[in-house]
Amino acid sequence: QSVLTQPPSASGTPGQRVTISCSGSSSNIGSHTVNWYQQFPGTAPKLLIYTNDQRPSGVPDRFSGSKSETSASLVISGLQSEDEADYYCAAWDASLSGPVFGGGTKLTVL
Amino acid sequence: QVQLVQSGVEVKKPGSSVTVSCKVSGGTFTTYAVSWVRQAPGQGLEWVGGIIPIFETANYAQRFQGRVTITTDKSTNTAYMELSSLTFGDTAMYYCARGRGSTSHSFLYWGQGTLVTVSS
Repeated sequence: QSVLTQPPSASGTPGQRVTISCSGSSSNIGSHTVNWYQQFPGTAPKLLIYTNDQRPSGVPDRFSGSKSETSASLVISGLQSEDEADYYCAAWDASLSGPVFGGGTKLTVL
Repeated sequence: QVQLVQSGVEVKKPGSSVTVSCKVSGGTFTTYAVSWVRQAPGQGLEWVGGIIPIFETANYAQRFQGRVTITTDKSTNTAYMELSSLTFGDTAMYYCARGRGSTSHSFLYWGQGTLVTVSS
């Protein structure tokens, strides 16, 4: 059971806007920044969003992140077929003294 | 460009130990934390532990305390993760990862992964 809670699945059609949520507690999201990762089958995760809402170089601006209190969201605008992947949220947890992850959300582009 | 290259597939018996290596190139090694993250088949990501080479002190996730040892060799820019008393539940892909900053847990750089299979 993951420390951070994500919906197991999400879906959308090309061009749509999709939101993936991530819920935590005061010891993690409530007091530390949130990162998001994208993972395709058989490959290592890729950093998509860091420090709540920052994109690494090369990440399209269709991807955006936000945080409010003990929850965070990843928004994908203008959904594309190549966005079909697993998405994970993560944050430092002060009680566990390490980073914790959500269980992952499998995004399907219909 | 920072690159992390891991050692190859491992097949181990229950009760044994496994050591996975991660060679870092293209950037400063000693002052940037290297973490290990594992992913069981069909499951999510789980932090195992991490180390900042210059301090030579590792931090471990509570559930792995006493069973995992993370070390580095600064002469070869390589990090190692040893996991002992293996059970079938340790079957997973093990990744090494490095953050954006020296102590950052925003893992920007990842190794290709090492599959560890525990089988009798």
